[in-house]
Amino acid sequence: DSGVTQTPKHLITATGQRVTLRCSPRSGDLSVYWYQQSLDQGLQFLIQYYNGEERAKGNILERFSAQQFPDLHSELNLSSLELGDSALYFCASSVGDSHEQYFGPGTRLTVT
Amino acid sequence: DQQVKQNSPSLSVQEGRISILNCDYTNSMFDYFLWYKKYPAEGPTFLISISSIKDKNEDGRFTVFLNKSAKHLSLHIVPSQPGDSAVYFCAGNAGGTSYGKLTFGQGTILTVHP
Repeated sequence: DSGVTQTPKHLITATGQRVTLRCSPRSGDLSVYWYQQSLDQGLQFLIQYYNGEERAKGNILERFSAQQFPDLHSELNLSSLELGDSALYFCASSVGDSHEQYFGPGTRLTVT
Repeated sequence: DQQVKQNSPSLSVQEGRISILNCDYTNSMFDYFLWYKKYPAEGPTFLISISSIKDKNEDGRFTVFLNKSAKHLSLHIVPSQPGDSAVYFCAGNAGGTSYGKLTFGQGTILTVHP
């Protein structure tokens, strides 16, 4: 158990819908990262937040947005969902900009 | 543009023997490299790392080697155990304004047979 929790574990929704994925980092960790793992793309970095502020951005689609709240939990919002958004979404956390990131169990999103 | 490549999708090894997993990278800005292990239905777990100023880092049964001129790193597991069977990802970090961003390879499935 990494100490990082993600909810929900599974999500099935239809194209065009909007969903919110939630992540609680390990106690004391200020950085939260979001990664997407799809079958053909491997693990892709989406975005990093540090203590409530956006820190680094990857190839995150404009339809996706994230935020980190004062209690340090984070949410990833995915809107206008497409079939290609079906993937595993992982959240990770670290103390600062640490390379050693602790991953949650992931949320499996299926868009039908 | 695949900056980190793991060209072997899978590797099969006998228990007790050495497992060698390989990784190539193209981004010369990477200054830190990591290996993560992933079991089914779990998130990746940090295994071992190496800074670009070193060429070797060892932690128990796991050793990572870095060849900067060849832009190549490898993970050696000795001796291999059935519990090591998992997907192994290598990742690179460029530091600076990349902060904690990790760029992962596609992964190699390691199977250790008893």
